Amino acid sequence: AQSVTQPDIHITVSEGASLELRCNYSYGATPYLFWYVQSPGQGLQLLLKYFSGDTLVQGIKGFEAEFKRSQSSFNLRKPSVHWSDAAEYFCAVGPMDSNYQLIWGAGTKLIIKP
Amino acid sequence: DSGVTQTPKHLITATGQRVTLRCSPRSGDLSVYWYQQSLDQGLQFLIQYYNGEERAKGNILERFSAQQFPDLHSELNLSSLELGDSALYFCASSSQRGGTDDYEQYFGPGTRLTVT
Repeated sequence: AQSVTQPDIHITVSEGASLELRCNYSYGATPYLFWYVQSPGQGLQLLLKYFSGDTLVQGIKGFEAEFKRSQSSFNLRKPSVHWSDAAEYFCAVGPMDSNYQLIWGAGTKLIIKP
Repeated sequence: DSGVTQTPKHLITATGQRVTLRCSPRSGDLSVYWYQQSLDQGLQFLIQYYNGEERAKGNILERFSAQQFPDLHSELNLSSLELGDSALYFCASSSQRGGTDDYEQYFGPGTRLTVT
């Protein structure tokens, strides 16, 4: 069955440190890939997406993600986090035969230490 | 601002009652999705509508129903409410007009439902 795994429920990093959030998916072909961010009390906002082409994609707020086909991964990175990055991050995949449904990971809550 | 609006922002009601949540999609988007987000269940897909027709169902209870109107706004009806229905309910929309952005979903701010 198609699935998305975000293995870390919580991650704590110091302000100014680098960040990597992991996302692995299970699907036979390359799906469309997304990262969303949810700030406290807010809806989800699209950070970045991968459809095809360059496997390193840039998003908003200084985030980037790298698609690795061999590892079925789409990890989110940021070189230096800010306190305002504290939020929950969701990875989602859109399999091409899914009738435009997205399959969602469980989310990773990012905590920033001052 | 995603362009998706939801009303009301907060709703407090008693068990056994019925409520209606409203969503207006981004201008031009044909598809609307409803999600439930609770602390113990994460983000759960409930139902999707496309141009007025139901397209897909997820983990939606029989007590819940939805519809999409000709002007493309959507309503989610929750009846015989139970304490466990307390959650954030999100609406999202996507264009689905045949472009590369058809999978992109844009979320509203949500309706927080509290059942007492």
